[in-house]
Amino acid sequence: RKEVEQDPGPFNVPEGATVAFNCTYSNSASQSFFWYRQDCRKEPKLLMSVYSSGNEDGRFTAQLNRASQYISLLIRDSKLSDSATYLCGGSGSARQLTFGSGTQLTVLP
Amino acid sequence: EADIYQTPRYLVIGTGKKITLECSQTMGHDKMYWYQQDPGMELHLIHYSYGVNSTEKGDLSSESTVSRIRTEHFPLTLESARPSHTSQYLCASSANMWTGELFFGEGSRLTVL
Repeated sequence: RKEVEQDPGPFNVPEGATVAFNCTYSNSASQSFFWYRQDCRKEPKLLMSVYSSGNEDGRFTAQLNRASQYISLLIRDSKLSDSATYLCGGSGSARQLTFGSGTQLTVLP
Repeated sequence: EADIYQTPRYLVIGTGKKITLECSQTMGHDKMYWYQQDPGMELHLIHYSYGVNSTEKGDLSSESTVSRIRTEHFPLTLESARPSHTSQYLCASSANMWTGELFFGEGSRLTVL
């Protein structure tokens, strides 16, 4: 079983929609979690870290549910520029950072 | 902007050639990583290093090797390239793994004919 799993999508949503991604992790010892954004043929860039209390940055909200071992990302009022692949990840075994396979989002005009 | 650089950005090479992908960072980060990613596919960790003279293999088995003689430099070498090595190789560094913030280079896209 992969340490981090996420729905690959694709998610095709109209502009202005709210979209949510979930990501599950198997290593209960994982301490830190995060969401990265990767544009087509570009390198991943950190979107936001995920804290137990949840955190919000503008239209983006990330939450961690340790009991159910999942993290989520909510995007409100989606923009065309939000189209990208969103990678979730956590600190895995052997002190490595482990990524999910990514969820592809396309925001349609 | 992250100060991590990879060269070459693109490389097309014949089977059997030896190649070295360079990665340098000027942030003084101890931790550096190499990921392999095929188009539209997930990132696979192939090598990592926690500091000078420290190298470990990642989750995905790879025929490549790495070295870490200087903090800022983490080159990846393939002794004999094969078509199965065709992929994008992404180098990353971090100051503190627990914050989850990796800084990625722009990648080296390798094609082996």
